[in-house]
Amino acid sequence: NAGVTQTPKFQVLKTGQSMTLQCAQDMNHEYMSWYRQDPGMGLRLIHYSVGAGITDQGEVPNGYNVSRSTTEDFPLRLLSAAPSQTSVYFCASSLSWGPYYEQYFGPGTRLTVT
Amino acid sequence: AQTVTQSQPEMSVQEAETVTLSCTYDTSENNYYLFWYKQPPSRQMILVIRQEAYKQQNATENRFSVNFQKAAKSFSLKISDSQLGDTAMYFCAFEETSGSRLTFGEGTQLTVNP
Repeated sequence: NAGVTQTPKFQVLKTGQSMTLQCAQDMNHEYMSWYRQDPGMGLRLIHYSVGAGITDQGEVPNGYNVSRSTTEDFPLRLLSAAPSQTSVYFCASSLSWGPYYEQYFGPGTRLTVT
Repeated sequence: AQTVTQSQPEMSVQEAETVTLSCTYDTSENNYYLFWYKQPPSRQMILVIRQEAYKQQNATENRFSVNFQKAAKSFSLKISDSQLGDTAMYFCAFEETSGSRLTFGEGTQLTVNP
């Protein structure tokens, strides 16, 4: 198993550009989520999904869109990038939702918006 | 809303010694889980240990153990026989039993010196 994979590893965008951060898992996990990590603030939940076709907002959803058309993939879309979205983005997945199930994190994507 | 606080931004310890990282949290829930995650320079998030709030016995995983004080809402991590590979950012995290999201603290950067 490859686990949770994220592409790209690094990305530089100009303000106003759009892009999609890719996340995929091959463990048949129902639950997937996106976090952003900023210095001094820990990780904060952006969006999550408890299964294909079901998504919900986390703590900091503004400026981001998600969809979950398959169990394996959970892309994160930035429609119009802003410098405030400069961060490291982590995707995570678990067998099901709830703290009983361990969350597995991807390697992260470092995004810089200039 | 739940909050998690790590009051030690940085700590250092000599190899083979013991170090304790502090974490406090605030919640009105009675059933929840607490976690410690490790993030080495590779950026990969790794689950170190977790504690279920209804269990009175403190969790242990090899050299890692916790001191869980439910009434005080405190959840510290003790690392015994520190190794150079323990150098990392450590995050304390909280999740409700019925929830689907992790709430992270700000992190503590631990450096193990030879």
